[in-house]
Amino acid sequence: GDSVTQMEGPVTLSEEAFLTINCTYTATGYPSLFWYVQYPGEGLQLLLKATKADDKGSNKGFEATYRKETTSFHLEKGSVQVSDSAVYFCALINNNDMRFGAGTRLTVKP
Amino acid sequence: DAGVIQSPRHEVTEMGQEVTLRCKPISGHDYLFWYRQTMMRGLELLIYFNNNVPIDDSGMPEDRFSAKMPNASFSTLKIQPSEPRDSAVYFCASSPNYNEQFFGPGTRLTVL
Repeated sequence: GDSVTQMEGPVTLSEEAFLTINCTYTATGYPSLFWYVQYPGEGLQLLLKATKADDKGSNKGFEATYRKETTSFHLEKGSVQVSDSAVYFCALINNNDMRFGAGTRLTVKP
Repeated sequence: DAGVIQSPRHEVTEMGQEVTLRCKPISGHDYLFWYRQTMMRGLELLIYFNNNVPIDDSGMPEDRFSAKMPNASFSTLKIQPSEPRDSAVYFCASSPNYNEQFFGPGTRLTVL
């Protein structure tokens, strides 16, 4: 079946560092891809999405590009802030079947 | 809109007791999802509804779990009898089209 694999955390960065969280997927056909963020004590929030190959999703300085050739959707941000500390989930939807990755905890230190 | 509303936010109960979790989706959303989150197993989809009809309950762990959606604005997830291994955070989410899901704040369940 379809699946999503994320880099294991936790990830700890200093403020203003560059962030990459790797995500790869396995799916038949053409899934839609998502990044969700979960702040402490809250539910997941959609961060960005891409619905077809080569699409770039972006929001709040975060970006991810749908790469079909490498089946990847890596999350990047050029300069992280303390307020970006959260758990990030990569996810896909394919034929109304949604799969989440295990989540990557990011801690940004001042 | 107030977003997805879940109650209670925290629930502590003893093994063997019945637990009922409640969810009010965003008005106009046709899909409703119940998830369970634990450190060991991550985020698991338990069941989802479309237009109040259960579509996929393959994630419901066992017969002790049941979910209902009597109308478009209310859903419940019931565990009877509860066990310590049911301790988790339970999330409800709703969506207008399945693709973009809006999550509630979750209910943290502790079964002693």
